[in-house]
Amino acid sequence: GESVGLHLPTLSVQEGDNSIINCAYSNSASDYFIWYKQESGKGPQFIIDIRSNMDKRQGQRVTVLLNKTVKHLSLQIAATQPGDSAVYFCAETVTSGGSYIPTFGRGTSLIVHP
Amino acid sequence: EAGVAQSPRYKIIEKRQSVAFWCNPISGHATLYWYQQILGQGPKLLIQFQNNGVVDDSQLPKDRFSAERLKGVDSTLKIQPAKLEDSAVYLCASRPGSNSYNEQFFGPGTRLTVL
Repeated sequence: GESVGLHLPTLSVQEGDNSIINCAYSNSASDYFIWYKQESGKGPQFIIDIRSNMDKRQGQRVTVLLNKTVKHLSLQIAATQPGDSAVYFCAETVTSGGSYIPTFGRGTSLIVHP
Repeated sequence: EAGVAQSPRYKIIEKRQSVAFWCNPISGHATLYWYQQILGQGPKLLIQFQNNGVVDDSQLPKDRFSAERLKGVDSTLKIQPAKLEDSAVYLCASRPGSNSYNEQFFGPGTRLTVL
């Protein structure tokens, strides 16, 4: 029915706090991972990526951590702002042969309270 | 730089009717994707084009869905006939080329409601 999948995992934080969003991926052959932000009524927007030969990558206010042993990704957002409120998706892909077909996780809804 | 354009933004149809969506990727982007995003879920790939050729359509329900990119630029996705479970947002995305690490850019999507 329509209610299946409506209830996304939700993370509520206060403005200025750090946020950590977690993601478990499924394919041990995946070698490239991307975090996307999706605001209501918009398409997903690239935030940060990481290749499997790294375990940490930093951007502006965001850090992605990769643990291949347990197939886990996390996205850390420093000093979270109300504008960060959105649904965040991790995506995994296998890049061998030049293909790029990301498989998206279910998503986490981040709510930032002013 | 203009982003990925999609139209219409919203469409409401009755089951068993037909519908078509249009996508104009970013200029020069060789790779184009159509995704289906059901409410509360992540996008699911339907089809990937490289220029005007199909790279992957393994998850496209070919009995009712079809897509084309005849000149390697714009693309259309069609559903005929629509079912209730086709209600979703249909996202188009494009990438510059075959480099595995090029960023993927998404359009705003078309929200389809099937009654």
